[in-house]
Amino acid sequence: KQEVTQIPAALSVPEGENLVLNCSFTDSAIYNLQWFRQDPGKGLTSLLLIQSSQREQTSGRLNASLDKSSGRSTLYIAASQPGDSATYLCAVSRVDSNYQLIWGAGTKLIIKP
Amino acid sequence: DAGVIQSPRHEVTEMGQEVTLRCKPISGHNSLFWYRQTMMRGLELLIYFNNNVPIDDSGMPEDRFSAKMPNASFSTLKIQPSEPRDSAVYFCASSLTEYNEQFFGPGTRLTVL
Repeated sequence: KQEVTQIPAALSVPEGENLVLNCSFTDSAIYNLQWFRQDPGKGLTSLLLIQSSQREQTSGRLNASLDKSSGRSTLYIAASQPGDSATYLCAVSRVDSNYQLIWGAGTKLIIKP
Repeated sequence: DAGVIQSPRHEVTEMGQEVTLRCKPISGHNSLFWYRQTMMRGLELLIYFNNNVPIDDSGMPEDRFSAKMPNASFSTLKIQPSEPRDSAVYFCASSLTEYNEQFFGPGTRLTVL
């Protein structure tokens, strides 16, 4: 059974720092991995999607990597800003049912001005 | 595009009442998902539609829950009768195909008293 873990559950860093959020999964047979952010009281915003054949994806100050063999993904945020404060969730989709996302519990990120 | 649209944004009702949540997916997307989010259980997939046809409703908790998608631009999730344990945030999401990233609506926060 696929399980997705995000550690730490919460992270607080000063503005301007580069930081890494971690996501691990137990079964390497994934179709893709997606990173989302969720602001309090709001919906989820898709940040990056990495196909199982890819190693990384970049969007602006965000870079996501994928290592299927070790069951890990990282989300790198460069030059963090207070506006980056949110909960970040990762989700993996199953090979046998691509639409089925298995979710991590999220990392709550606070960027201090 | 306006993104995924959900209504109402907030719903407060009394136990036993019927609740109908509505969703308009992104135009051109053929996959639609209903999720429920609670603090205890995180995000749960309730039902998945592909080309307006329910493909997987294994996440629908009970017969009190039903979902329809009469056309490509509209879906409803109905709870009848509602119970306090149904209180949660309900999200609708759509994707171009089941293989693509999912885009979420702002959610409906349901409170059943």
